[in-house]
Amino acid sequence: GDSVTQMEGPVTLSEEAFLTINCTYTATGYPSLFWYVQYPGEGLQLLLKATKADDKGSNKGFEATYRKETTSFHLEKGSVQVSDSAVYFCALSSWEYGNKLVFGAGTILRVKS
Amino acid sequence: GAGVSQSPSNKVTEKGKDVELRCDPISGHTALYWYRQSLGQGLEFLIYFQGNSAPDKSGLPSDRFSAERTGGSVSTLTIQRTQQEDSAVYLCASSLYRGVQETQYFGPGTRLLVL
Repeated sequence: GDSVTQMEGPVTLSEEAFLTINCTYTATGYPSLFWYVQYPGEGLQLLLKATKADDKGSNKGFEATYRKETTSFHLEKGSVQVSDSAVYFCALSSWEYGNKLVFGAGTILRVKS
Repeated sequence: GAGVSQSPSNKVTEKGKDVELRCDPISGHTALYWYRQSLGQGLEFLIYFQGNSAPDKSGLPSDRFSAERTGGSVSTLTIQRTQQEDSAVYLCASSLYRGVQETQYFGPGTRLLVL
């Protein structure tokens, strides 16, 4: 079945550092790919998404490119802030899997000032 | 506009009791999903509604779990004879339509603790 693998955390960075959180997926069809973020004490929020190969999703300085050839959707940000500290989830949705979201395990990001 | 709301926000119950969790989706959203977030299992799909029908119940972990949706709006997830392994955060999400490109909007969750 469909699955998502993301790098284990926690990831600890200093403010203004460059962030990469790796995400790879396995899917039989042509899924849409998502990054969701969960800030401390809050619910899941969509951060960005991409619905077809080579699409780039971007929001709040974060971006990720849908790479079909490497089945990846890595999350990047050029300069992180303390307020970016959260748990980040990579997820996919596919017709073959009934449009339910299949999530990775989540990556904790801690940004120090 | 209002987002997805869930109630209660926290629920503590004793093993063997039944619990009901409620979800109010975003108005006009036809698709509704229940997920569970637990330490050991991460985020797992439970059940999906399109309108009042549940074409996909494949994630329900046992026959103690059931859900319904009425009026194409409010949904209730019921857990009978709760067990300690049912302790988790239960998340509801809704989307305008069922579709692979549709964004699912999540509620704040109900944190269930079974003693």
